[in-house]
Amino acid sequence: GENVEQHPSTLSVQEGDSAVIKCTYSDSASNYFPWYKQELGKRPQLIIDIRSNVGEKKDQRIAVTLNKTAKHFSLHITETQPEDSAVYFCAAPLGESGGGADGLTFGKGTHLIIQP
Amino acid sequence: DGGITQSPKYLFRKEGQNVTLSCEQNLNHDAMYWYRQDPGQGLRLIYYSQIVNDFQKGDIAEGYSVSREKKESFPLTVTSAQKNPTAFYLCASSFGGLREQYFGPGTRLTVT
Repeated sequence: GENVEQHPSTLSVQEGDSAVIKCTYSDSASNYFPWYKQELGKRPQLIIDIRSNVGEKKDQRIAVTLNKTAKHFSLHITETQPEDSAVYFCAAPLGESGGGADGLTFGKGTHLIIQP
Repeated sequence: DGGITQSPKYLFRKEGQNVTLSCEQNLNHDAMYWYRQDPGQGLRLIYYSQIVNDFQKGDIAEGYSVSREKKESFPLTVTSAQKNPTAFYLCASSFGGLREQYFGPGTRLTVT
């Protein structure tokens, strides 16, 4: 099955700087890669996702890049703000279809700390 | 925060007892999922269901059971066979395929 590795486990950046979180996956058939943000004690919420037919997707200060050859994808947050402090999870499809209908496998998370 | 609900928020049980966690959604989603989250870990898939009256095991199904008698509901039973049941349990739903999974608020289960 799919295996997702996420780095780093903790990331501390100054407010206003950029943050980058990286994930690798093992199944070349995977074609959907979401990123979730989880604040302390709350539910994970989708912040951005990318499908395998594109290499990059942006939404305001957040972007995700995908390198299918190398089987890795990254989350980029620019101009970080205090409200960006949270745990971020990457994910990839769990099942053989590669599309997510069978559930997701998650990385272990990155605790992003924004220093004032 | 409506759409997908879980109850109760906190649950305490003695070892050896079965316990059922509720998950309900009114988003008309076909697919529903149960994940377990432990400190410092990502979410791990327990069971999932793509249609009513059908469900499949995820990575860590041992010691758990589910049912899907209605589209809106996907209850999870943590049985006494689950060796380490204390965890944060999250239910999710989606339209399936390459679609966003929406998570419920979670149930924190403590077994002593």
